[in-house]
Amino acid sequence: DAGVTQSPTHLIKTRGQQVTLRCSPKSGHDTVSWYQQALGQGPQFIFQYYEEEERQRGNFPDRFSGHQFPNYSSELNVNALLLGDSALYLCASSRNEDSGANVLTFGAGSRLTVL
Amino acid sequence: DQQVKQNSPSLSVQEGRISILNCDYTNSMFDYFLWYKKYPAEGPTFLISISSIKDKNEDGRFTVFLNKSAKHLSLHIVPSQPGDSAVYFCAATLFNTGANSKLTFGKGITLSVRP
Repeated sequence: DAGVTQSPTHLIKTRGQQVTLRCSPKSGHDTVSWYQQALGQGPQFIFQYYEEEERQRGNFPDRFSGHQFPNYSSELNVNALLLGDSALYLCASSRNEDSGANVLTFGAGSRLTVL
Repeated sequence: DQQVKQNSPSLSVQEGRISILNCDYTNSMFDYFLWYKKYPAEGPTFLISISSIKDKNEDGRFTVFLNKSAKHLSLHIVPSQPGDSAVYFCAATLFNTGANSKLTFGKGITLSVRP
């Protein structure tokens, strides 16, 4: 049973460019959350998608946007990249009907480097 | 403003001894707390959690203690094993906001268990 799959695993971009990161949730999961983990920091909540809509959002600018597809997979888009956007981007999936925050399953992440 | 703080960046213990990982929080609204473990090149995995209505939760070698008045929790690992060497994140959430609530993480503690 595959867990959460993220692609690409590593990528390098330059300032001002745009990037798209992809996430396939664990089988049976319908909710996707994205987190940013900067070097030496803990993961920070970006937003959560359920039923193809953004349900919750953390303290991130509008340059960060997302999408959820009918098959529950998700994309994270970041426009006008800044050096400070360099981080590990983690996707976590869950089932909406489950209760309890411990039901999140994380992927291994996509490491973005902005030069 | 760091709402979840893990002030010690690293901890080294001898195999077989107790590991005590500490975490403090500032937001008194948090009512559910979790510990995640993260190995290199893998996503965080859930370890143990505790509700604010309890002061202790135990699962095998892992015990989490919560002191609400001090806004402090700790994770005890007894006995520690070399395979426990990883980064440990403390996280908090508002459980009553619904399932799959967003998590607020600390910066993490790197635990090294010496054979």
